[in-house]
Amino acid sequence: SAVISQKPSRDICQRGTSLTIQCQVDSQVTMMFWYRQQPGQSLTLIATANQGSEATYESGFVIDKFPISRPNLTFSTLTVSNMSPEDSSIYLCSVVTKDYGYTFGSGTRLTVV
Amino acid sequence: AQKITQTQPGMFVQEKEAVTLDCTYDTSDQSYGLFWYKQPSSGEMIFLIYQGSYDEQNATEGRYSLNFQKARKSANLVISASQLGDSAMYFCAMRETLAAYNQGGKLIFGQGTELSVKP
Repeated sequence: SAVISQKPSRDICQRGTSLTIQCQVDSQVTMMFWYRQQPGQSLTLIATANQGSEATYESGFVIDKFPISRPNLTFSTLTVSNMSPEDSSIYLCSVVTKDYGYTFGSGTRLTVV
Repeated sequence: AQKITQTQPGMFVQEKEAVTLDCTYDTSDQSYGLFWYKQPSSGEMIFLIYQGSYDEQNATEGRYSLNFQKARKSANLVISASQLGDSAMYFCAMRETLAAYNQGGKLIFGQGTELSVKP
């Protein structure tokens, strides 16, 4: 299965600022997913990122708030823009591998103060 | 719409005993996949076990087994011989199938069950 390097692992940010999270995969993958996990909650999909096309956002998530880049088949970034304390969450990237398995990054624990 | 339900917010089990974590799902697809993940306090998602909708036998992976009852739409996780390190959140998830890609779409997660193993 694929190995994902996700950075940063954690950060404390001031409200109104932006944070960019990176995921680097050790193999080429078609689909990459970005999830948010608010404290004590389950994982909620933010968007699906395919290389060469615009990301597809789930209901309740907009590109202006969570812009995503997918420049190639091994890399993607998620930016959390104009942050507020409600954005404090764990953010995870995930990829589908050829055997239809799913691998997750180690997560970014974001605290907005 | 596809949905995963985990009705046990928290469970306790004595060390070395077995425990069953419940998961029911709802889908109109004939082809789907069911997953269980473990999430320790560190936040990482650890894959435990997978069951395909066409698999005739229940999946097993070491101390983990999946009790798949297709007619009842349930996919319960059984952990045998619980260890202190099993204390974590456990999520049941279902793969959405995208006919266009035929590679499996997003995962839909249940609310999770927090398992505590007592010494």
